[in-house]
Formats: sequence, C-alpha cells, structure tokens
Amino acid sequence: GAVVSQHPSWVICKSGTSVKIECRSLDFQATTMFWYRQFPKQSLMLMATSNEGSKATYEQGVEKDKFLINHASLTLSTLTVTSAHPEDSSFYICSARSITGVPTEAFFGQGTRLTVV
Amino acid sequence: GQNIDQPTEMTATEGAIVQINCTYQTSGFNGLFWYQQHAGEAPTFLSYNVLDGLEEKGRFSSFLSRSKGYSYLLLKELQMKDSASYLCAASDSNYQLIWGAGTKLIIKP
Repeated sequence: GAVVSQHPSWVICKSGTSVKIECRSLDFQATTMFWYRQFPKQSLMLMATSNEGSKATYEQGVEKDKFLINHASLTLSTLTVTSAHPEDSSFYICSARSITGVPTEAFFGQGTRLTVV
Repeated sequence: GQNIDQPTEMTATEGAIVQINCTYQTSGFNGLFWYQQHAGEAPTFLSYNVLDGLEEKGRFSSFLSRSKGYSYLLLKELQMKDSASYLCAASDSNYQLIWGAGTKLIIKP
C-alpha cells in the first residue's frame, strides 16, 4: 500500500515554544492531507483539511493561528503548533489521499506524540 | 447531520469469532472503511466496501448494506494480537471521512 511518513514520532518541548510536524507521501501524490489529534482512549478528531497549493480548511473550534498548516507540494504537508502549552499535548496524526486516482482511502502517518512541559 | 455509531467495547475469546457493527448516516456515500488501531499507533487500513455484500480478506471480512446504512467487521480465529480499537469510517459525497468513536476489542485467553 501507499506509504505516508510522519516526523518526528515523538517530541517534548517547553511551554511557549513552537513545534513543526512533517507529513510526507512517499510513493503517491497527495492532493489532500488531513491532520488529526487524538486524546487517550478517544477517536480521531479532524483538525483541518489541506489541499495542495491552497489554504487549509479548519474544523470548528480549531485555532488556525495556533495550528499552522502548510501544504506547498503534492508530497509534503506540515503542521506547526505555535506557542505550545501543556494542553496541546496529544497524539497528532496525518493522513494523505489522492482523490484523482487509486487509492481513495486515507493512509496514515505513524503519528507524533507531542508532550509540552 | 452526519453520524457513525459503533459499540464502545467488546470482549471475545481467543480462537473465537467476533462481529463489530457500525451504522452510519452521511450526506452522500462513497464507501465504508474499517481501520485497526493499536494503542499509541496510527490506524491501519483493513477494508473498504462500496457495494452491498461481503468482502473476505483472510481472517477478516467486512459487510455492507447501503439501504440499511449498516456495516460489520467479522474477525475469525481471534488471536491475542487482534486486541485493538477498530474504527469505522464512512466517506461522504465530498470524499470526507466521517469517523466513528472506535470499538475497543479485548481478547481473553
């Protein structure tokens, strides 16, 4: 199946600093990428949808100035958590899909566990 | 509105069979996905149904009834490694995935 690589797998940062998470589709062109966060024992919560070359669409309640998403190419999207606080500690997962062809299902990166201290 | 329902938790015995049900309501429909997620890991794709009927893939099978807005995932010959959360997701008319809360499956020896 298609491979999506997410980096880093885990990160610990100090409160007030910014963290960038990368999501790459390795063997297909991802016209659309999705960013999720997941709290323990809960399902995926969609944060935003990004289409290559355009601004991301954020879900209600997600601060776009805090969670900056860039999708500048068909193989790379980044999520930057700005001025991180302990409540931002979570599991962040990206997924990528190619609407223009097979596959249509979303393939996930391995996730990034963010801990803000 | 759009909604996915699946049981929160199920328990089964090693070697047995378990069926995880999912009902959905979406604006348009472009298929039903099942994903497996182990604790602390990202979801992995299991199956995709867009036509009515049963799709079999080894020990796992998935069924869809579009008229009833219903799907199930059937796991046979359960192994301890099958202990995980199973996420049901429906694709709407815009190909957005609407996610269920997941069913935590506990396998006992």
